[in-house]
Amino acid sequence: GAVVSQHPSRVICKSGTSVKIECRSLDFQATTMFWYRQFPKQSLMLMATSNEGSKATYEQGVEKDKFLINHASLTLSTLTVTSAHPEDSSFYICSASERETQYFGPGTRLLVL
Amino acid sequence: DQQVKQNSPSLSVQEGRISILNCDYTNSMFDYFLWYKKYPAEGPTFLISISSIKDKNEDGRFTVFLNKSAKHLSLHIVPSQPGDSAVYFCAASGYSGGGADGLTFGKGTHLIIQP
Repeated sequence: GAVVSQHPSRVICKSGTSVKIECRSLDFQATTMFWYRQFPKQSLMLMATSNEGSKATYEQGVEKDKFLINHASLTLSTLTVTSAHPEDSSFYICSASERETQYFGPGTRLLVL
Repeated sequence: DQQVKQNSPSLSVQEGRISILNCDYTNSMFDYFLWYKKYPAEGPTFLISISSIKDKNEDGRFTVFLNKSAKHLSLHIVPSQPGDSAVYFCAASGYSGGGADGLTFGKGTHLIIQP
C-alpha cells in the first residue's frame, strides 16, 4: 500500500505557542489530503480537507484560524495549531488519497502544557 | 449523532476461529466503506473496502459483507491470528472511492485474539 509519513511523531509545547505538523505522501502524489483528530477512546474525527493549490475545507466546529492548513505540493500538507491551548492536546492524523483509498500517516501526539 | 456505529466496543475470539466485526450506518448517501486496523498511538492501516454496488469483497483472510437494505456491513477474519489483535474501525464515504471525501468513522471495536 501507499506510504504516508508525519512529522513530528510527538510534540510537547507550552500554551500559547504554535506547532506545525507535516504530512507527506512518500510514493504517490495526492491532490487531496485530510486531517483528523482523535481524542482518547474516541473515534477519528475529520477536521479538514486539504486541496493542493487551494484553500482547505473545514468541518463544522473546526476553527480555520486556529488550525492553519497549507497544501503546497502534491506530496506535502501541513497543519499548524496556532496559539495552542491544553484542550488542543490530542492525536492528529493525516491521510492522503490514492485512487479509491485513504492511507493514513502514523499520527502526531500533541501535548500542550 | 453517530452516522457510523460499531456497537461492540470489544470482541474476544479464540485463535483459529472466525472473527466477525459489525458496523451499521444511518446515512444513505454513503456509498463506499472501508475497514481499518489500528494500534495505539499509530495511524490506521487500511485493510479492505467495498463499494455500494457490491455485496461482498474478499482479500485473503478478510472478507467484507455489505447489506445495503439493512445499512449494515461486517468484516470477517478467518482464521483469526494473534497479530489480528487491534482496534478495528469501520469508515464510510459519500463519494465513491473516498478519494475526494473525508471519511466518517465508527468508534472502533477492540478485537482480542486469545491463544
